[in-house]
Amino acid sequence: QQPVQSPQAVILREGEDAVINCSSSKALYSVHWYRQKHGEAPVFLMILLKGGEQKGHDKISASFNEKKQQSSLYLTASQLSYSGTYFCGTVSSGNQFYFGTGTSLTVIP
Amino acid sequence: KAGVTQTPRYLIKTRGQQVTLSCSPISGHRSVSWYQQTPGQGLQFLFEYFSETQRNKGNFPGRFSGRQFSNSRSEMNVSTLELGDSALYLCASSSHDRRSYEQYFGPGTRLTVT
Repeated sequence: QQPVQSPQAVILREGEDAVINCSSSKALYSVHWYRQKHGEAPVFLMILLKGGEQKGHDKISASFNEKKQQSSLYLTASQLSYSGTYFCGTVSSGNQFYFGTGTSLTVIP
Repeated sequence: KAGVTQTPRYLIKTRGQQVTLSCSPISGHRSVSWYQQTPGQGLQFLFEYFSETQRNKGNFPGRFSGRQFSNSRSEMNVSTLELGDSALYLCASSSHDRRSYEQYFGPGTRLTVT
């Protein structure tokens, strides 16, 4: 079951904040966040595990609501380098890994 | 450490042919996963190998298969190619269980089926 992300696309000015949401219909073991720039491979940002453990970059923050099977990625004080497509990835009890529908983020000067 | 490498980077095949793609994970990584990326379907999971055993498989037809060798290198094979198989195929490696650990992606193999 592919998780659904919202919004599908967002345009920000440098310094503005954004929130990207990821929602699954299945109970989740973990949620992963990746960013992919055009023509490049996805790059790891963060993992949020059931039970509250998080691993990732210091400048990235995210939340994981286990009861609602939802996660949000918070991008603050955006920089031009934040532009790209953000994907959440979810792992449920069946150990299947599903990437979300993607959110295109564009930061303009 | 060297990153994940994939060969070849680009490939053009005709319908009905078969193709083999190769992935070398980061040294010491035992988990290798394969993904298909297309504009219409996004990133879709194909399968995961851990210590030469297939641990998980996505919803792809049997024409898609893979294997992992004792040195953790992995190959993916697609037989009887169809036009819809045109995609970017990404390989990712993880040091341990990819449920709890980050995946490192290779640059991908761009497959075009004509």
